[in-house]
Amino acid sequence: TQLLEQSPQFLSIQEGENLTVYCNSSSVFSSLQWYRQEPGEGPVLLVTVVTGGEVKKLKRLTFQFGDARKDSSLHITAAQPGDTGLYLCAGDGGGTSYGKLTFGQGTILTVHP
Amino acid sequence: ETGVTQSPTHLIKTRGQQVTLRCSSQSGHNTVSWYQQALGQGPQFIFQYYREEENGRGNFPPRFSGLQFPNYSSELNVNALELDDSALYLCASSSKRTSGYEQYFGPGTRLTVT
Repeated sequence: TQLLEQSPQFLSIQEGENLTVYCNSSSVFSSLQWYRQEPGEGPVLLVTVVTGGEVKKLKRLTFQFGDARKDSSLHITAAQPGDTGLYLCAGDGGGTSYGKLTFGQGTILTVHP
Repeated sequence: ETGVTQSPTHLIKTRGQQVTLRCSSQSGHNTVSWYQQALGQGPQFIFQYYREEENGRGNFPPRFSGLQFPNYSSELNVNALELDDSALYLCASSSKRTSGYEQYFGPGTRLTVT
């Protein structure tokens, strides 16, 4: 069974601060996806990382996939209140497990003005 | 290009009843996956349908069943509802050919079992 440990579970920061969310596993994933979810809505895909060591930037968000494809991180620079939400990482095992995502527990981020 | 849609938005059922949830996949996508998200948790994989066949199942009992239709839309059926079935049910569509590894989620159906 593949598991993803996401940390921290809760993050409460002031506007302008930086933060990092971590996603770790003992399993190898063929790809890892990061989602953001608002209350009562479905997760919205932010980015997919596929190659070990890959770094992707989306404005103030930087995503990294570990060299061994077992872990990932999301770094937000100069957080804004609009970044508030639930952030989820999800790993795709690939092969016969293609598309069957294993999710972390999520990180609830609150950015105070 | 239309996104993933789900119906109904909210549903209240009584323990022991049966429920059917519906999902229309994004245009061009042939694979639908269903997830259960309990309050404060990440989604958990229920099962996946590809070309009208079940293509993998998570750790859910047989009273959770599904269908996929020729137009790639899908249904999730839950029999003998239990209080713990209260959750947000999400469907996600994908296509290895058109979207590679990426899955796109619908807004979910909030099921409350009393």
